[in-house]
Amino acid sequence: GDSVTQMEGPVTLSEEAFLTINCTYTATGYPSLFWYVQYPGEGLQLLLKATKADDKGSNKGFEATYRKETTSFHLEKGSVQVSDSAVYFCALSDRGDMRFGAGTRLTVKP
Amino acid sequence: NAGVTQTPKFQVLKTGQSMTLQCAQDMNHNSMYWYRQDPGMGLRLIYYSASEGTTDKGEVPNGYNVSRLNKREFSLRLESAAPSQTSVYFCASSANRYSSYNEQFFGPGTRLTVL
Repeated sequence: GDSVTQMEGPVTLSEEAFLTINCTYTATGYPSLFWYVQYPGEGLQLLLKATKADDKGSNKGFEATYRKETTSFHLEKGSVQVSDSAVYFCALSDRGDMRFGAGTRLTVKP
Repeated sequence: NAGVTQTPKFQVLKTGQSMTLQCAQDMNHNSMYWYRQDPGMGLRLIYYSASEGTTDKGEVPNGYNVSRLNKREFSLRLESAAPSQTSVYFCASSANRYSSYNEQFFGPGTRLTVL
Protein backbone atom coordinates (compact mmCIF):
# COMPACT_ATOMS: atom_id res chain seq x y z
CA GLY A 1 0.00 0.00 0.00
CA ASP A 2 0.87 3.67 -0.05
CA SER A 3 3.42 4.85 2.49
CA VAL A 4 5.56 7.79 3.53
CA THR A 5 9.08 7.62 4.91
CA GLN A 6 10.63 10.68 6.44
CA MET A 7 13.91 11.51 8.04
CA GLU A 8 14.13 10.41 11.63
CA GLY A 9 14.83 13.01 14.21
CA PRO A 10 15.31 14.70 16.38
CA VAL A 11 16.98 17.50 14.46
CA THR A 12 18.67 20.29 16.38
CA LEU A 13 19.83 23.44 14.58
CA SER A 14 21.07 26.86 15.50
CA GLU A 15 18.99 29.88 14.57
CA GLU A 16 19.51 30.99 10.93
CA ALA A 17 20.77 27.54 9.87
CA PHE A 18 19.51 25.82 6.71
CA LEU A 19 16.91 23.11 7.20
CA THR A 20 16.21 20.03 5.12
CA ILE A 21 13.84 17.28 6.22
CA ASN A 22 13.75 14.40 3.75
CA CYS A 23 10.52 12.72 2.72
CA THR A 24 9.98 9.95 0.19
CA TYR A 25 6.77 8.19 -0.71
CA THR A 26 5.43 5.04 -2.29
CA ALA A 27 2.13 5.26 -4.12
CA THR A 28 0.43 3.37 -6.91
CA GLY A 29 -1.52 6.39 -8.15
CA TYR A 30 -0.88 10.12 -8.37
CA PRO A 31 -1.08 11.39 -4.82
CA SER A 32 -1.25 14.89 -3.44
CA LEU A 33 1.58 15.63 -1.01
CA PHE A 34 1.52 17.65 2.18
CA TRP A 35 3.68 18.91 4.99
CA TYR A 36 1.92 19.41 8.31
CA VAL A 37 3.42 21.06 11.40
CA GLN A 38 2.53 20.34 15.01
CA TYR A 39 3.49 22.88 17.65
CA PRO A 40 3.72 21.72 21.28
CA GLY A 41 0.31 20.86 22.72
CA GLU A 42 -1.55 21.55 19.49
CA GLY A 43 -3.07 19.65 16.59
CA LEU A 44 -1.58 19.39 13.12
CA GLN A 45 -1.70 22.42 10.84
CA LEU A 46 -1.18 22.34 7.11
CA LEU A 47 2.14 23.98 6.25
CA LEU A 48 2.22 23.51 2.49
CA LYS A 49 0.96 21.23 -0.25
CA ALA A 50 1.52 20.13 -3.85
CA THR A 51 -0.98 18.32 -6.00
CA LYS A 52 1.03 17.27 -9.06
CA ALA A 53 4.55 16.56 -10.23
CA ASP A 54 6.95 19.55 -10.29
CA ASP A 55 4.59 21.68 -8.18
CA LYS A 56 6.35 23.67 -5.48
CA GLY A 57 4.49 24.31 -2.25
CA SER A 58 5.62 27.22 -0.10
CA ASN A 59 4.57 28.96 3.10
CA LYS A 60 6.27 30.92 5.89
CA GLY A 61 9.66 30.54 4.19
CA PHE A 62 9.33 26.75 3.88
CA GLU A 63 9.38 25.09 0.46
CA ALA A 64 8.97 21.60 -0.94
CA THR A 65 8.92 20.39 -4.55
CA TYR A 66 6.95 17.37 -5.72
CA ARG A 67 9.53 15.18 -7.51
CA LYS A 68 7.88 12.26 -9.24
CA GLU A 69 11.14 10.88 -10.65
CA THR A 70 12.63 10.47 -7.18
CA THR A 71 9.27 10.07 -5.36
CA SER A 72 10.32 12.77 -2.93
CA PHE A 73 8.92 15.88 -1.27
CA HIS A 74 11.75 17.26 0.86
CA LEU A 75 11.04 20.21 3.15
CA GLU A 76 13.53 23.11 3.13
CA LYS A 77 13.93 26.47 4.80
CA GLY A 78 16.83 28.79 4.26
CA SER A 79 17.04 30.30 7.74
CA VAL A 80 15.22 28.72 10.67
CA GLN A 81 13.98 30.58 13.72
CA VAL A 82 13.40 29.46 17.30
CA SER A 83 9.66 29.69 16.59
CA ASP A 84 10.02 26.93 13.96
CA SER A 85 10.63 24.38 16.71
CA ALA A 86 7.90 21.78 16.20
CA VAL A 87 7.21 18.32 14.82
CA TYR A 88 6.90 18.12 11.04
CA PHE A 89 4.88 15.43 9.26
CA CYS A 90 5.03 14.53 5.61
CA ALA A 91 1.79 13.05 4.27
CA LEU A 92 0.21 11.87 1.05
CA SER A 93 -3.40 11.62 -0.02
CA ASP A 94 -4.40 9.20 -2.74
CA ARG A 95 -7.96 8.10 -3.57
CA GLY A 96 -9.23 9.02 -0.12
CA ASP A 97 -6.52 7.54 2.06
CA MET A 98 -4.13 9.86 3.85
CA ARG A 99 -0.83 8.38 5.03
CA PHE A 100 1.50 10.15 7.43
CA GLY A 101 5.19 9.78 8.06
CA ALA A 102 6.40 9.19 11.61
CA GLY A 103 7.22 12.86 12.14
CA THR A 104 10.49 14.73 12.61
CA ARG A 105 11.04 16.80 15.72
CA LEU A 106 12.94 20.03 15.05
CA THR A 107 14.50 22.08 17.82
CA VAL A 108 16.04 25.44 16.95
CA LYS A 109 18.39 26.95 19.51
CA PRO A 110 19.11 30.68 19.78
CA ASN B 1 -15.45 29.92 13.05
CA ALA B 2 -13.84 27.46 15.48
CA GLY B 3 -12.78 24.81 12.93
CA VAL B 4 -12.52 21.39 14.59
CA THR B 5 -13.14 21.18 18.32
CA GLN B 6 -12.57 18.23 20.63
CA THR B 7 -13.54 17.46 24.22
CA PRO B 8 -12.09 16.67 26.64
CA LYS B 9 -8.48 17.86 26.31
CA PHE B 10 -7.18 15.43 28.93
CA GLN B 11 -8.58 12.26 30.46
CA VAL B 12 -7.32 9.59 32.83
CA LEU B 13 -9.15 6.26 32.93
CA LYS B 14 -8.73 3.02 34.80
CA THR B 15 -8.53 -0.22 32.85
CA GLY B 16 -12.02 -1.38 31.93
CA GLN B 17 -13.69 2.02 32.15
CA SER B 18 -15.52 3.47 29.18
CA MET B 19 -15.61 6.93 27.71
CA THR B 20 -16.61 8.90 24.65
CA LEU B 21 -14.47 11.49 22.92
CA GLN B 22 -16.46 14.23 21.22
CA CYS B 23 -15.61 16.06 18.01
CA ALA B 24 -17.40 18.77 16.09
CA GLN B 25 -16.59 20.81 12.99
CA ASP B 26 -18.19 23.97 11.67
CA MET B 27 -16.75 23.98 8.15
CA ASN B 28 -19.65 22.06 6.57
CA HIS B 29 -17.27 19.22 5.73
CA ASN B 30 -18.62 15.90 4.54
CA SER B 31 -15.82 13.69 5.86
CA MET B 32 -14.50 13.21 9.39
CA TYR B 33 -11.74 11.07 10.90
CA TRP B 34 -10.33 9.80 14.15
CA TYR B 35 -6.57 9.23 14.50
CA ARG B 36 -4.30 8.19 17.29
CA GLN B 37 -0.77 9.49 17.63
CA ASP B 38 1.89 7.42 19.31
CA PRO B 39 5.60 8.26 19.61
CA GLY B 40 7.58 7.31 16.51
CA MET B 41 4.50 6.08 14.64
CA GLY B 42 2.97 9.18 13.19
CA LEU B 43 -0.81 9.25 12.97
CA ARG B 44 -2.81 6.09 12.45
CA LEU B 45 -6.40 6.13 11.30
CA ILE B 46 -8.88 4.50 13.66
CA TYR B 47 -12.20 5.13 11.91
CA TYR B 48 -13.57 7.53 9.37
CA SER B 49 -16.90 8.78 8.11
CA ALA B 50 -16.82 9.66 4.44
CA SER B 51 -20.26 11.29 4.67
CA GLU B 52 -23.12 11.65 7.10
CA GLY B 53 -24.66 8.27 7.80
CA THR B 54 -21.56 6.20 6.95
CA THR B 55 -18.61 4.98 9.00
CA ASP B 56 -15.72 2.69 8.10
CA LYS B 57 -12.76 1.10 9.81
CA GLY B 58 -9.31 2.48 9.38
CA GLU B 59 -5.94 0.97 10.15
CA VAL B 60 -6.39 0.35 13.90
CA PRO B 61 -10.11 0.01 14.76
CA ASN B 62 -9.97 -2.69 17.43
CA GLY B 63 -11.31 -1.57 20.81
CA TYR B 64 -13.13 1.47 19.41
CA ASN B 65 -16.55 2.39 18.09
CA VAL B 66 -17.72 5.56 16.40
CA SER B 67 -20.94 7.43 15.75
CA ARG B 68 -21.56 10.08 13.12
CA LEU B 69 -24.26 11.89 15.00
CA ASN B 70 -24.94 14.42 12.25
CA LYS B 71 -22.91 16.28 9.66
CA ARG B 72 -21.07 18.29 12.33
CA GLU B 73 -20.34 15.70 15.00
CA PHE B 74 -18.32 12.48 15.08
CA SER B 75 -17.70 10.70 18.40
CA LEU B 76 -15.23 7.97 19.36
CA ARG B 77 -16.08 5.51 22.10
CA LEU B 78 -13.83 3.25 24.12
CA GLU B 79 -16.06 0.56 25.62
CA SER B 80 -13.47 -1.04 27.90
CA ALA B 81 -10.26 0.95 28.06
CA ALA B 82 -6.89 -0.80 28.04
CA PRO B 83 -3.40 0.59 28.77
CA SER B 84 -2.53 0.06 25.08
CA GLN B 85 -5.06 2.79 24.27
CA THR B 86 -3.00 5.40 26.09
CA SER B 87 -2.37 7.89 23.30
CA VAL B 88 -3.19 11.30 21.90
CA TYR B 89 -6.39 11.24 19.84
CA PHE B 90 -7.02 13.66 17.01
CA CYS B 91 -10.21 14.33 15.16
CA ALA B 92 -10.00 15.74 11.65
CA SER B 93 -12.36 16.76 8.86
CA SER B 94 -12.14 17.35 5.14
CA ALA B 95 -14.49 18.57 2.46
CA ASN B 96 -14.64 15.27 0.61
CA ARG B 97 -12.57 12.19 1.39
CA TYR B 98 -12.61 11.00 -2.21
CA SER B 99 -11.52 14.21 -3.89
CA SER B 100 -8.07 14.20 -5.45
CA TYR B 101 -6.97 16.87 -3.01
CA ASN B 102 -8.11 15.85 0.43
CA GLU B 103 -6.73 18.48 2.83
CA GLN B 104 -7.62 17.55 6.36
CA PHE B 105 -8.14 19.99 9.24
CA PHE B 106 -7.28 18.84 12.73
CA GLY B 107 -8.61 19.44 16.21
CA PRO B 108 -6.31 20.18 19.17
CA GLY B 109 -6.30 16.59 20.42
CA THR B 110 -7.27 14.63 23.52
CA ARG B 111 -4.50 13.19 25.67
CA LEU B 112 -5.78 9.93 27.16
CA THR B 113 -4.02 7.90 29.83
CA VAL B 114 -5.29 4.45 30.81
CA LEU B 115 -3.93 3.13 34.09
